[in-house]
Amino acid sequence: QLQLQESGSGLVKPSQTLSLTCVVSGGSMSGNNYAWSWIRHPPGKDLEWIGNIYRSGGTYYNPSLKNRVTISADWSNYQFSLRLTSVTAADTAVYYCARARDMAFDIWGQGTMVTVSS
Amino acid sequence: DIVMTQSPDSLAVSLGERATINCKSSQSVLSSSNNRNYLAWYRQQPGQPPKLLIYWASTRESGVPDRFSGSGSGTDFTLTISSLQAEDVAVYYCQQYYSTPLYTFGQGTKLEIK
Repeated sequence: QLQLQESGSGLVKPSQTLSLTCVVSGGSMSGNNYAWSWIRHPPGKDLEWIGNIYRSGGTYYNPSLKNRVTISADWSNYQFSLRLTSVTAADTAVYYCARARDMAFDIWGQGTMVTVSS
Repeated sequence: DIVMTQSPDSLAVSLGERATINCKSSQSVLSSSNNRNYLAWYRQQPGQPPKLLIYWASTRESGVPDRFSGSGSGTDFTLTISSLQAEDVAVYYCQQYYSTPLYTFGQGTKLEIK
């Protein structure tokens, strides 16, 4: 069955760029019914949707992060990526990649902890 | 943004007993065009990512045990576990997707065994 796995740096310095990749295995990324998403969970705070990318190439971002976030995809290599610039301690969180089907998140990666610290 | 508020923040229920978790949205998530409630429920077991249980407020995801059920409409929703099992110890989240693509989640309800 379809699986997602995040990878990337677990420690990022303040003001630098956070970069994560989600590799999709066991299935296809095709289909216009799906969105490929990033979600994060800061310690002690609510789950926060970061953004989506669609097979059409369209992207949508949370307005609270819009100026700092970019989601891209390499469809031929079954992966999509997150870049978050100018990070601060407030960006410390567990970051998840997920697939949205009918707009609910039906498949999640295991999550990766990213700490922003000097 | 649509704010999702869950209650209680935590609860303890005996094995085999019923557990009920509530979720209230700051505005209706019922679509007049298709009469569907844009509301999902997730279970997050310790050390695991969230797992989709219910979508469209009451549709059980494939493979989810039938002890889980969702109900409600408009702004008020309930997740019910009819007979609590040990593996149901987890944090439960509701999520709205009415304001897609700006999805928002509730703060979570921690469920423990009494």
